[in-house]
Amino acid sequence: AQTVTQSQPEMSVQEAETVTLSCTYDTSESNYYLFWYKQPPSRQMILVIRQEAYKQQNATENRFSVNFQKAAKSFSLKISDSQLGDTAMYFCAFSEETSGSRLTFGEGTQLTVNP
Amino acid sequence: EPEVTQTPSHQVTQMGQEVILRCVPISNHLYFYWYRQILGQKVEFLVSFYNNEISEKSEIFDDQFSVERPDGSNFTLKIRSTKLEDSAMYFCASTRGSSTDTQYFGPGTRLTVL
Repeated sequence: AQTVTQSQPEMSVQEAETVTLSCTYDTSESNYYLFWYKQPPSRQMILVIRQEAYKQQNATENRFSVNFQKAAKSFSLKISDSQLGDTAMYFCAFSEETSGSRLTFGEGTQLTVNP
Repeated sequence: EPEVTQTPSHQVTQMGQEVILRCVPISNHLYFYWYRQILGQKVEFLVSFYNNEISEKSEIFDDQFSVERPDGSNFTLKIRSTKLEDSAMYFCASTRGSSTDTQYFGPGTRLTVL
């Protein structure tokens, strides 16, 4: 069964600085999809970024970018120019093509951006 | 921008009672999902639904749970006889055209079982 591990339960960063959240996963499949979701205090799950495993280029979305290392099964999220509104729980998630579509989530990393 | 909606935002019920959680997926989406998140824990997959039938379910989704798409817009999760351990946040999600598309989540329903 696939697993997703986020080894940092909590992180903090100063406003305007850069922070990197770690995620590793385990799968025997060659084609799969990786996601970062953000969950602010409202508890809504908001998509931050998506990466297809067959794409070598790292995904970027404005201030958010990923470092996807397929051989190492690592998928970290970099947030540049951190803003107070980035304070949230961040979940790494994984979906295998062969499993249909279920998302498997990591434990989450609580990020606090300090003024 | 279209979004997934869920009602109610908070449901309180007595143990043993039936509850129905409602979701309205994004209108042109074809795949629908339910997840739950017990407070302080990770989000867990419950069930996926496509073409008016369950396409996949987890071990959590036992006989106490059922899903239905009663009309062209609603997608419901029913818990037949709630237990204390069913207390959680329940999220509905939908995707557009294939099961590997990005899943868009609703705001969740907080279920409290007393």
